[in-house]
Amino acid sequence: SQTIHQWPATLVQPVGSPLSLECTVEGTSNPNLYWYRQAAGRGLQLLFYSVGIGQISSEVPQNLSASRPQDRQFILSSKKLLLSDSGFYLCAWTLWRSEAFFGQGTRLTVV
Amino acid sequence: GNSVTQMEGPVTLSEEAFLTINCTYTATGYPSLFWYVQYPGEGLQLLLKATKADDKGSNKGFEATYRKETTSFHLEKGSVQVSDSAVYFCALIKAAGNKLTFGGGTRVLVKP
Repeated sequence: SQTIHQWPATLVQPVGSPLSLECTVEGTSNPNLYWYRQAAGRGLQLLFYSVGIGQISSEVPQNLSASRPQDRQFILSSKKLLLSDSGFYLCAWTLWRSEAFFGQGTRLTVV
Repeated sequence: GNSVTQMEGPVTLSEEAFLTINCTYTATGYPSLFWYVQYPGEGLQLLLKATKADDKGSNKGFEATYRKETTSFHLEKGSVQVSDSAVYFCALIKAAGNKLTFGGGTRVLVKP
């Protein structure tokens, strides 16, 4: 069966520090991959999505970036975190027209 | 572009009350429609889905019908429980696209 792993679960980072969040999917090939951010009490903001290795679409200009070095690996990065980057980050995958499956999320607090 | 609009919360109900959360969408063609639920501190879980007009998705007592003529996918449950307290998201994915679009979420609080 398919599973999605996202880590770490929680992270506290100082302003100006780098960020790397990783997401991997098991049990499927060539998934569409997504990074969402959820601010406290708010909806989901799509940050990046990818339809294949090295193919990244950015939805919101900001100091975050994403990479897909392998078919089932999706990484969210930042060179210098801002206070406004705090939030709940969710990774998800889908196949064509199918429902999305989500990781358990990473709660990032920038201090 | 595609968009999903759902009623703002919070929605506060008593146990055993009837729940309706409205969801309407804008998209060309025939998207697939979904409802997700998010419990506190967790990721999203698929609640139900519908892939074509007039389909009814159902799960755990929740139902939603894909209405092409009104571009709607309203979520209903006849008798809610305290354990149904969560945030509910309506979403769509287009037939020819890859972007999953979510509504803003509706927080539901069920009181005993």
